[in-house]
Amino acid sequence: DVKVTQSSRYLVKRTGEKVFLECVQDMDHENMFWYRQDPGLGLRLIYFSYDVKMKEKGDIPEGYSVSREKKERFSLILESASTNQTSMYLCASGTGFGEKLFFGSGTQLSVL
Amino acid sequence: QKEVEQNSGPLSVPEGAIASLNCTYSDRGSQSFFWYRQYSGKSPELIMFIYSNGDKEDGRFTAQLNKASQYVSLLIRDSQPSDSATYLCASSGSARQLTFGSGTQLTVLP
Repeated sequence: DVKVTQSSRYLVKRTGEKVFLECVQDMDHENMFWYRQDPGLGLRLIYFSYDVKMKEKGDIPEGYSVSREKKERFSLILESASTNQTSMYLCASGTGFGEKLFFGSGTQLSVL
Repeated sequence: QKEVEQNSGPLSVPEGAIASLNCTYSDRGSQSFFWYRQYSGKSPELIMFIYSNGDKEDGRFTAQLNKASQYVSLLIRDSQPSDSATYLCASSGSARQLTFGSGTQLTVLP
């Protein structure tokens, strides 16, 4: 069974804090993605990576950065959290071009 | 801006009926299309994918693709209350990432 594990299910942070969201997959997938999901807006791509140490911006990268030091791990970093970054964050992994994605269980982040 | 549009609903159908979910996309270069189901409070899971024009059937689910009209649909036959969820349409073109619609909320009434 494919497993994509996100480190926290719920997270509460203060504005200005640095926030790390961790994601680990066990299927040796090349591609990993970070999305955020907000009511009425669907899934929006923040960043993705198709190889170790590689990263590409998605549709809404502002205020975020990522790190992929190992193939199985993809981290999302909020350098200085703001209230408009309160959202559900979903990590996903997959192989090839635009192929099937497998999602983690999500992290509901609240920034106060 | 590449877009995938879905009717947000909510869509309600009685148990046993056919639920029809629709999606249009703007990028003519899109080649692959996916339907994800997302239960409330859960993450999306893939239920269907289609690459070629026409119909693709899997159990009670049928995906339909019309590239000329840039239209994708998902039919759920003999709908069950357990099918109540949000259904996300997604497309991919030459890039590695998927573009998602905002989802259609389906409720199947017992």
